[in-house]
Amino acid sequence: GAGVSQSPSNKVTEKGKDVELRCDPISGHTALYWYRQSLGQGLEFLIYFQGNSAPDKSGLPSDRFSAERTGGSVSTLTIQRTQQEDSAVYLCASSLTPGAHEQYFGPGTRLTVT
Amino acid sequence: LAKTTQPISMDSYEGQEVNITCSHNNIATNDYITWYQQFPSQGPRFIIQGYKTKVTNEVASLFIPADRKSSTLSLPRVSLSDTAVYYCLVLNNTDKLIFGTGTRLQVFP
Repeated sequence: GAGVSQSPSNKVTEKGKDVELRCDPISGHTALYWYRQSLGQGLEFLIYFQGNSAPDKSGLPSDRFSAERTGGSVSTLTIQRTQQEDSAVYLCASSLTPGAHEQYFGPGTRLTVT
Repeated sequence: LAKTTQPISMDSYEGQEVNITCSHNNIATNDYITWYQQFPSQGPRFIIQGYKTKVTNEVASLFIPADRKSSTLSLPRVSLSDTAVYYCLVLNNTDKLIFGTGTRLQVFP
């Protein structure tokens, strides 16, 4: 079946602009996760959704970052007033049940802030 | 969460067996040892998970000694396509994956 998909695959934006990153999880997966991978920081957790609610937002680096999930499916990660340090690959993952150790990752969105 | 330590990089040749060892000295009773693989420009992929002794699947084997303070991921007869970063994670009933720096495996012809 279809895996996790993310769009866009690449995004170049100017500093100060807002961006929206989209994630389509595997159908039927109740848990959805956002991670960020950058050269300096490795792969870091951002936020986790169980259904449409986000019990764990502990990884969001600042209040410029927000995310929502609707219909227990698609999720959008929004970064407001982007900064150069936001440049990274943003990865989305989903799992069948919350707390499952096997998470399925999408290909990521490469964000470049100029 | 238990901290893991693994080699930064390893080199191998096609056809050889590769063993990547991970140390997790403060692993807790309810922790599981999980390995992910990440190819360039892709998201990580779950490879294998175990609690104790030995686990084997079509991709790899995972060896865990009785004290569980370390584990070894074994890749039999590697090919060029096994060139990737391999992450060792120690997980309990957690909702997020905590990745370390991983081991960058380079397979040469």
